[in-house]
Amino acid sequence: DQQVKQNSPSLSVQEGRISILNCDYTNSMFDYFLWYKKYPAEGPTFLISISSIKDKNEDGRFTVFLNKSAKHLSLHIVPSQPGDSAVYFCAASRNTGGFKTIFGAGTRLFVKA
Amino acid sequence: GAVVSQHPSWVICKSGTSVKIECRSLDFQATTMFWYRQFPKQSLMLMATSNEGSKATYEQGVEKDKFLINHASLTLSTLTVTSAHPEDSSFYICSASPGGVQPQHFGDGTRLSIL
Repeated sequence: DQQVKQNSPSLSVQEGRISILNCDYTNSMFDYFLWYKKYPAEGPTFLISISSIKDKNEDGRFTVFLNKSAKHLSLHIVPSQPGDSAVYFCAASRNTGGFKTIFGAGTRLFVKA
Repeated sequence: GAVVSQHPSWVICKSGTSVKIECRSLDFQATTMFWYRQFPKQSLMLMATSNEGSKATYEQGVEKDKFLINHASLTLSTLTVTSAHPEDSSFYICSASPGGVQPQHFGDGTRLSIL
């Protein structure tokens, strides 16, 4: 049972343009959502998060949007840079029960120079 | 920032041996740590929640006797893969967070290859 889904395994974007990565979830009990970035042979690095009481959170070039009614969130990267090329994981958790976090399958982003 | 260190980063061993992986929180105390497993091109699958001073909580389908977890101190959790077989070959990653609040911070993972 995949509670967190990233349906696009890969995305290719030109440098300077916007990258939009999408994520859907099924469990309405999730109340905290995170995006992680991962390079090969390394652990994921935290990027940005959003609480379910908000619908948008921005940090520099990164913005996360949350649509609770649709159980959908997205990560926008503007402008995209070649160094952004990595695998991006969407994750969801409940702020109770020890913060067990469920991850999506990841989307590999290629930013072309 | 919070740093989680994992050791070793890469292990190759023969089938039937046991392998211990360490996860340390370097600049904070962690009463809870998480162990994940990642197969190629797949998601991070939560294996178990490691609790300092008590038994680990395992996810459905994860064999407790196969994957032994010990969280003996506030900065160290260990995962021992007992009698490892080729199907146990995978990328194992741990995570922890200061104060037990999000976000979690991850170690760099351990690539385990069983011959």
